[in-house]
Amino acid sequence: QSALTQPASVSGSPGQSITISCTGTSSDVGSYNLVSWYQQHPGKAPKLMIYEVSKRPSGVSNRFSGSKSGNTASLTISGLQAEDEADYYCCSYAGSSTSVFGGGTKLTVL
Amino acid sequence: QVQLVESGGGVVQPGRSLRLSCAASGFTFSSSGMHWVRQAPGKGLEWVALIWYDGSNEYYADSVKGRFTISRDNSKNTLYLQMNSLRAEDTAVYYCARDVSGSSSSTFDYWGPGTMVTVSS
Repeated sequence: QSALTQPASVSGSPGQSITISCTGTSSDVGSYNLVSWYQQHPGKAPKLMIYEVSKRPSGVSNRFSGSKSGNTASLTISGLQAEDEADYYCCSYAGSSTSVFGGGTKLTVL
Repeated sequence: QVQLVESGGGVVQPGRSLRLSCAASGFTFSSSGMHWVRQAPGKGLEWVALIWYDGSNEYYADSVKGRFTISRDNSKNTLYLQMNSLRAEDTAVYYCARDVSGSSSSTFDYWGPGTMVTVSS
């Protein structure tokens, strides 16, 4: 149950696009299309932004998109806005009904 | 609307026990897998435990296996986490979260606001 690997921080200017990577192994990210992404603002509970690699829940902006290649999943945010500044976490199914999160990425909108 | 509200957090000495509760409303609780996820101060999210929709199966992170027990009472729409032999490293905000499936898809669509547990002498 080792945590998925995410960059500690990323940054971008308003209107730009950024991508956050999430690297796992063949036992989790690489084996299942059950990768989800969460946005967390300070002092708040996480919010589901992407599920099953690339699906968006109702109400989530289409500026958020997800993808996966091999053992690495990615979250892309296009047209960056000030309110996108937050921590982002990936999560993957890891078999036997267990889950594993990434270490989190702090997004700064410059 | 879906609501999850945790309770039971507080300050507890190392080695002691604590039971957290999560009251659910606004959805068919007995159809959803339910998880506990925790977040140590200034740290990332850590999955803790899962219980299937009918309580028939439970799963735990290695870090809490043998010390924590997840359970549910579908007649009361309530999820529980019994935490025994608490350690300083268990200090965290504990969230309950709903799985979109009845078992586990590792997709948490609703979260409670969390309850803080501090393990300190």
